[in-house]
Amino acid sequence: GAVVSQHPSWVICKSGTSVKIECRSLDFQATTMFWYRQFPKQSLMLMATSNEGSKATYEQGVEKDKFLINHASLTLSTLTVTSAHPEDSSFYICSARDVAGVRQETQYFGPGTRLLVL
Amino acid sequence: QKEVEQNSGPLSVPEGAIASLNCTYSDRGSQSFFWYRQYSGKSPELIMSIYSNGDKEDGRFTAQLNKASQYVSLLIRDSQPSDSATYLCAVNANSGYALNFGKGTSLLVTP
Repeated sequence: GAVVSQHPSWVICKSGTSVKIECRSLDFQATTMFWYRQFPKQSLMLMATSNEGSKATYEQGVEKDKFLINHASLTLSTLTVTSAHPEDSSFYICSARDVAGVRQETQYFGPGTRLLVL
Repeated sequence: QKEVEQNSGPLSVPEGAIASLNCTYSDRGSQSFFWYRQYSGKSPELIMSIYSNGDKEDGRFTAQLNKASQYVSLLIRDSQPSDSATYLCAVNANSGYALNFGKGTSLLVTP
């Protein structure tokens, strides 16, 4: 149980284009999903908290107009990197919280999406 | 800023030994504590969670929590080369269920 998927797992795009990453909870409902970014040999950095049916909450320093988050259902959140640039190249990981779980603080991570912007 | 501190390592232990990973946190109000394992190039995988003071055992893993000292640790018994990974300590921030992560400790188990 508690499986989270992400799609795509790898994406290479040209500078200036937009990229959409999907995060799905496969066997549970997630009112809250989280988006992280991880640069090589660094820890996870929380970008934003995605709440189903409402606007996402962004961490300080994260541009909400550049990283568009939509959480339209209890099992799907999307992150769109708009006008991507090489410095946006990173490992993007989502996690989801099982609202019906015994301990709702537990986050289950997706496999991540590696983005390379040329 | 609520901090979660870990020694970055690498921590090197021989196969079969006990690996001890440590983590301290600054927010006294924290209630939930997690250990995740992250293999190179992969996303984090939940290993253990602990919520009350004392020890919690799950197979070869034991999590220890001391809220008075703001300290949480992970012991790995009978370490195997497949345990070689980065171990992330995460603490519940009590705000929308977000987690604060440490920078991780790199563990290397040598055959």
